[in-house]
Amino acid sequence: KAGVTQTPRYLIKTRGQQVTLSCSPISGHRSVSWYQQTPGQGLQFLFEYFSETQRNKGNFPGRFSGRQFSNSRSEMNVSTLELGDSALYLCASSPRPTTVSMYGYTFGSGTRLTVV
Amino acid sequence: AQSVTQLGSHVSVSEGALVLLRCNYSSSVPPYLFWYVQYPNQGLQLLLKYTSAATLVKGINGFEAEFKKSETSFHLTKPSAHMSDAAEYFCAVSGSGGSYIPTFGRGTSLIVHP
Repeated sequence: KAGVTQTPRYLIKTRGQQVTLSCSPISGHRSVSWYQQTPGQGLQFLFEYFSETQRNKGNFPGRFSGRQFSNSRSEMNVSTLELGDSALYLCASSPRPTTVSMYGYTFGSGTRLTVV
Repeated sequence: AQSVTQLGSHVSVSEGALVLLRCNYSSSVPPYLFWYVQYPNQGLQLLLKYTSAATLVKGINGFEAEFKKSETSFHLTKPSAHMSDAAEYFCAVSGSGGSYIPTFGRGTSLIVHP
């Protein structure tokens, strides 16, 4: 059974550019959540998608957006990149949103974004 | 609101010694609790979870954790550390305050000396 796949693994972008990250959940998992991980702030929740709808959103500016496709694959986009956006972006999947409480997440290996 | 506090950003032990990583949670109702491990350049992997069954929970790689409601704690232990246990460990709480979205602690880096 394939795990959660995130692409690309590493990315270097310049301030002001935009970036799109991709996540394919485990087969059968329809809920996808995104987290930003930095040394200073730890793991911060970005948003959650289920059935192509955003169910929950964390406290991030509108430059951060996402979407989910009918096959449950998800993308997140960051526009007008800032130096502070440099982070490891983690995607996590679960069968359905509320199953996270009972069973936890399955995480991908992340995309390391560096903004220069 | 739910929150998690992990005491100690770094814990250093010798190989073969007891591992104890501390986690305290704040929750108005009995929560769901988790420990995850993150190896360098990888995502988080679920070690174990407490979901209101047995208070002593056994996980993978010989780790276990005990839920103590009176102390609002969920400390992670392993009797004998291996070099391969060196990693970042995260405690998480979910299911409190009407939110199933997990809240993660800041993480504890486990260093294992030969």
